[in-house]
Amino acid sequence: DAKTTQPNSMESNEEEPVHLPCNHSTISGTDYIHWYRQLPSQGPEYVIHGLTSNVNNRMASLAIAEDRKSSTLILHRATLRDAAVYYCILGAGSYQLTFGKGTKLSVIP
Amino acid sequence: NAGVTQTPKFRILKIGQSMTLQCAQDMNHNYMYWYRQDPGMGLKLIYYSVGAGITDKGEVPNGYNVSRSTTEDFPLRLELAAPSQTSVYFCATRRRGGNEQFFGPGTRLTVL
Repeated sequence: DAKTTQPNSMESNEEEPVHLPCNHSTISGTDYIHWYRQLPSQGPEYVIHGLTSNVNNRMASLAIAEDRKSSTLILHRATLRDAAVYYCILGAGSYQLTFGKGTKLSVIP
Repeated sequence: NAGVTQTPKFRILKIGQSMTLQCAQDMNHNYMYWYRQDPGMGLKLIYYSVGAGITDKGEVPNGYNVSRSTTEDFPLRLELAAPSQTSVYFCATRRRGGNEQFFGPGTRLTVL
């Protein structure tokens, strides 16, 4: 499986935008980029996914580099409820997701 | 709709005991997955199923067994519990052709 690299932790002030980076230099042409998050003591929750173009949904935006070797999850206005571990995952075909350690996002009131 | 439900929420086992972790879904999703999550780590895939009667191994299948006799249920069996199986277990589902996996609330298992 292609691997992703994420910072271990990040901090953000409440109500400010957050940019969570992910590097995936060995991504293949068929790999989708998935983002999930895991709130404390809960199961992971889908956030967004994309292939080549930037994507927006009600939770976040996903910006994908032109060469697809990196991507950024954008939370437009962080709230305390967004404090979680965010996982960037590559998946294709059978969609067997391989979770790394992710980025622990802390939101400061 | 309940989504994905897992029982029990918590369990303590003694070494060598057996148990079955239950996972049920009411979304009529074809794909079901079992993951484990050790403290401070990401999730690792144990087994998955693409439909009733079909199961396959994931990354860490040793010490576990699964069956899928119906679309709704995907139980995970531990035959001889070991301390290394102390973990939080998550079940997930996905509909055919979809990208999103839906996770249950997890079962926290401790083996002493």
